[in-house]
Amino acid sequence: GQSLEQPSEVTAVEGAIVQINCTYQTSGFYGLSWYQQHDGGAPTFLSYNALDGLEETGRFSSFLSRSDSYGYLLLQELQMKDSASYFCARGRGAGSYQLTFGKGTKLSVIP
Amino acid sequence: NAGVTQTPKFQVLKTGQSMTLQCAQDMNHEYMSWYRQDPGMGLRLIHYSVGAGITDQGEVPNGYNVSRSTTEDFPLRLLSAAPSQTSVYFCASSSQGARGETQYFGPGTRLLVL
Repeated sequence: GQSLEQPSEVTAVEGAIVQINCTYQTSGFYGLSWYQQHDGGAPTFLSYNALDGLEETGRFSSFLSRSDSYGYLLLQELQMKDSASYFCARGRGAGSYQLTFGKGTKLSVIP
Repeated sequence: NAGVTQTPKFQVLKTGQSMTLQCAQDMNHEYMSWYRQDPGMGLRLIHYSVGAGITDQGEVPNGYNVSRSTTEDFPLRLLSAAPSQTSVYFCASSSQGARGETQYFGPGTRLLVL
């Protein structure tokens, strides 16, 4: 299977740190991506992990453990503008151009 | 660069009507795809293309056709619209690189089928 599981909603306080988890089925796994989508907008690429470990991009980091079929997105120093939906996605086939998306986690940042 | 553009932004159709959603990219990307997004369902792949003249089905292809005559354009055709096709449609393009499958999405087309 190609499915991914992530929490549907998360709420966190401005300035805090939040972690959004994603678990996936191992069949034909090629790498894990993360996308952000604000209400009414298009998904935008955040991060990609092909190998185990942490990838850091500014306030956002993404982690992958292939042995645990698990990854997470870490958002630090939360800002109100980080309120959005976050999707994990995995490659569907060789070359990883095709993506299967999780159903998304809606993050609400509160003052 | 304009990136990925989609037209129209909004469309209302009656059941049984046909229409074409336009998608164009100016980044010379080989790979293009169409997704639909429904509440609580994430994005689901409809069709994709790995280059001009080559298309294939994704996860939910029924009721849709695509063609890829040029690198830049990848239109999606609804043959006979049904209420179940009410959704937001996103076109995306991608190129292979060190960061794997980085996909660039267009702004979307919001379709309502009555």
